[in-house]
Amino acid sequence: NAGVTQTPKFRILKIGQSMTLQCTQDMNHNYMYWYRQDPGMGLKLIYYSVGAGITDKGEVPNGYNVSRSTTEDFPLRLELAAPSQTSVYFCASSYSEFEQFFGPGTRLTVL
Amino acid sequence: GENVEQHPSTLSVQEGDSAVIKCTYSDSASNYFPWYKQELGKGPQLIIDIRSNVGEKKDQRIAVTLNKTAKHFSLHITETQPEDSAVYFCAAPNSGYALNFGKGTSLLVTP
Repeated sequence: NAGVTQTPKFRILKIGQSMTLQCTQDMNHNYMYWYRQDPGMGLKLIYYSVGAGITDKGEVPNGYNVSRSTTEDFPLRLELAAPSQTSVYFCASSYSEFEQFFGPGTRLTVL
Repeated sequence: GENVEQHPSTLSVQEGDSAVIKCTYSDSASNYFPWYKQELGKGPQLIIDIRSNVGEKKDQRIAVTLNKTAKHFSLHITETQPEDSAVYFCAAPNSGYALNFGKGTSLLVTP
């Protein structure tokens, strides 16, 4: 199993551009999550999904959108990139509400 | 939502010594407390977790203790080694299906 994979690893965006961060898991997990990690601030939940077709907001959803059309994929969309969205983004998945498996992260810089 | 406080933010120990990291939480209904280790440039990895029906759990050199009355739980690493150097995060469930993370402890083990 590859586990949780994320693409791209790095990206630089200009203010106002849009992009999609890809996340795929091959563990048949129902639960998937998007977090952002800022220096010294831990991980903050952006969006999560408890199954295909079901998504819900986390602590910091503004400026982001998600979709969950399949069990495997949970893309995160930034429509109008802002400098405040410069961060490292982690996708995670879990079988239940307990143990979460994290991907390697996407480092995003908005200039 | 759940508020998780983690201390200390940085910890430096000599190889062979013990390291202790403490977390407090606010929601008395929380019943699952994981600890994650994050190495530089990687995603967090679960190293140990504890459910609320036990007070202590050990796995080789690491252990977690839980005091539900005081609403705190701690990570104990004995016989520390340089490869234990990393950032450690505690977490507790929020009202949904995700986790709230502490801000992290940067552990440095010096030879």
